[in-house]
Amino acid sequence: NAGVTQTPKFRILKIGQSMTLQCTQDMNHNYMYWYRQDPGMGLKLIYYSVGAGITDKGEVPNGYNVSRSTTEDFPLRLELAAPSQTSVYFCAAGRQGARDALHFGNGTRLTVT
Amino acid sequence: TQLLEQSPQFLSIQEGENLTVYCNSSSVFSSLQWYRQEPGEGPVLLVTVVTGGEVKKLKRLTFQFGDARKDSSLHITAAQPGDTGLYLCAGVGANMRFGAGTRLTVKP
Repeated sequence: NAGVTQTPKFRILKIGQSMTLQCTQDMNHNYMYWYRQDPGMGLKLIYYSVGAGITDKGEVPNGYNVSRSTTEDFPLRLELAAPSQTSVYFCAAGRQGARDALHFGNGTRLTVT
Repeated sequence: TQLLEQSPQFLSIQEGENLTVYCNSSSVFSSLQWYRQEPGEGPVLLVTVVTGGEVKKLKRLTFQFGDARKDSSLHITAAQPGDTGLYLCAGVGANMRFGAGTRLTVKP
């Protein structure tokens, strides 16, 4: 039981390049989230999904896109990478009960130069 | 603007000391969660508090949810170096939001 798996672990992009951060979960949880964490800071919500086919914006969605075609997968797309998108990206999954935990992946460290 | 304000932002103490960190909001939450994050890893859930005034204990950690369900505190008794990490609070909802965290360092 792997939980939440993120790939890649590290990536360096040049300004203007695009890439997709992959996230997959094997817990059959409906709710999935993408957060970014800047150095020394907490988590800021980028996008979230309450189920397959449904996505919604979080606090900082600009410059990103997501899709949720299956329960398991929730990829995050960066179309035109900018230095401001240098961060660590975390994907999480949960059942969204009042007592349910969010289960996080180990993150993708992205540098845009 | 942070929906959830955590204080202090940084805390460095000696092993054996007690400490309290706070999570405050102007919003009411159905429940609130505390997570701990270690370097290079994702956050891991410590506790969920649901009822106003609720107190939960996890070994040397005591969590309290405010009566109005807008704030929470985490008290650690006799801190140990293994308690070092980033402590995050989160208001539970469809779009789960986190505070900026308290970075705790416990020196041996």
